[in-house]
Amino acid sequence: GDSVTQMEGPVTLSEEAFLTINCTYTATGYPSLFWYVQYPGEGLQLLLKATKADDKGSNKGFEATYRKETTSFHLEKGSVQVSDSAVYFCARESGGSYIPTFGRGTSLIVHP
Amino acid sequence: DTGVSQDPRHKITKRGQNVTFRCDPISEHNRLYWYRQTLGQGPEFLTYFQNEAQLEKSRLLSDRFSAERPKGSFSTLEIQRTEQGDSAMYLCASRSGTGSYEQYFGPGTRLTVT
Repeated sequence: GDSVTQMEGPVTLSEEAFLTINCTYTATGYPSLFWYVQYPGEGLQLLLKATKADDKGSNKGFEATYRKETTSFHLEKGSVQVSDSAVYFCARESGGSYIPTFGRGTSLIVHP
Repeated sequence: DTGVSQDPRHKITKRGQNVTFRCDPISEHNRLYWYRQTLGQGPEFLTYFQNEAQLEKSRLLSDRFSAERPKGSFSTLEIQRTEQGDSAMYLCASRSGTGSYEQYFGPGTRLTVT
C-alpha cells in the first residue's frame, strides 16, 4: 500500500545550520506531497505542499521539491532557528482519495 | 476562534469503560477526519466524513470504534470496552471540499487507559 518513509530523528543542529530531512514515498499513482509541522503542545499545521512532479513547495524559508525520478520530497532550510524546533511529518495523498498517509515524523532540535 | 476544537483534551479511563470524544471542525469545512497517533508515529487514518456521510473507514478500526457526524457539523468518536492498546492521541482534522489540500488539525485528545 501507500507509504512514506522519513529519516529517523532526532536531528540536532546549531542555530543557522543547514537542514535536510529526507522523505521518500511509494510511487503508486500521482500523489500530492506535503510537509506538516507540529510545534510543542500544538496541532499539526501544513508547512508546504507540491502537487505534481518538479513542483517546489516553499514556506517560512523551508523548501521541498517533488522528485518523481527518485520518489523523494526532502525538506530543506538554509539557516534554522531555535523556533524551528518541532516534529516534521512528510505525507502523500493520491489524487481523489482525500486520505493522506503520514510518515513517522522527524524531531528537529535547534540549539542556540 | 475558527480553528478545529476537540474535547476533552485529556481522558483517563479504566480498561473496559466506554469513552466518547467530540470534534468541532471549521464551520465551512465539509470533510472531517479522525486519526490516531501513538508516540513516535505519524497520524494513522481512522475514518473520514463528507458532510454527514462516513465515506471511508480504516481496516484498523475495530468494531469497538464508532464515529458519527449527524448533522454534518461536529463529530463524535466512541470507543467501547477500552483496552490498554487504545491509549493514544486522537486527532481530528477538517478540510474544505473546494479543492484545497490543506487539513486543519485540532489539538487532539490524549487517551490513557489504565
